[in-house]
Amino acid sequence: DGGITQSPKYLFRKEGQNVTLSCEQNLNHDAMYWYRQDPGQGLRLIYYSQIVNDFQKGDIAEGYSVSREKKESFPLTVTSAQKNPTAFYLCASRATGTGPYEQYFGPGTRLTVT
Amino acid sequence: SQELEQSPQSLIVQEGKNLTINCTSSKTLYGLYWYKQKYGEGLIFLMMLQKGGEEKSHEKITAKLDEKKQQSSLHITASQPSHAGIYLCGALHDRGSTLGRLYFGRGTQLTVWP
Repeated sequence: DGGITQSPKYLFRKEGQNVTLSCEQNLNHDAMYWYRQDPGQGLRLIYYSQIVNDFQKGDIAEGYSVSREKKESFPLTVTSAQKNPTAFYLCASRATGTGPYEQYFGPGTRLTVT
Repeated sequence: SQELEQSPQSLIVQEGKNLTINCTSSKTLYGLYWYKQKYGEGLIFLMMLQKGGEEKSHEKITAKLDEKKQQSSLHITASQPSHAGIYLCGALHDRGSTLGRLYFGRGTQLTVWP
């Protein structure tokens, strides 16, 4: 079955530690995205990538970093510089092009930093 | 400022009742996506509208796009407990973009009681 996997589902870290969230897709999509969701908020874009070895900052990139070494994988690192890292993180992918393609979402990772 | 406003923020209805959720954009719409989310899970794609006046239905859910008003509505007929969740709209504001970046509203929390 094609889809997007995110691991782990729940992640706990101490303040000051970096943590990496995994996102893998087998949909053969070129575009991948990372969003952050806070209670009562919509999704806010952190980073996105349209092609391997290329990515751009979204609206709230400060304190985060990404890599795109393989088409299937787009890991997100939450660094100690991120002031409020506790949130629900969603990864998505989409076929590139101007067609009416939807974004497919992973199940999410809930990160708690104490 | 929020470019995409959803209303209402939350909705509690009795099973069997009809309901409508609205999504209004302050910028030109080149596509409007509706997603559903169960708490703590990823987003599930419902439908996508591109043209003014377009209307799509899936089972008991109908979505319409009013391009002039830059607004979309999602209507659920004869609601069931399985319809409960968070409904999010995502807008495509970038004409001709191959990335398909979406800007999301804050979501509408729907509760359906038996």
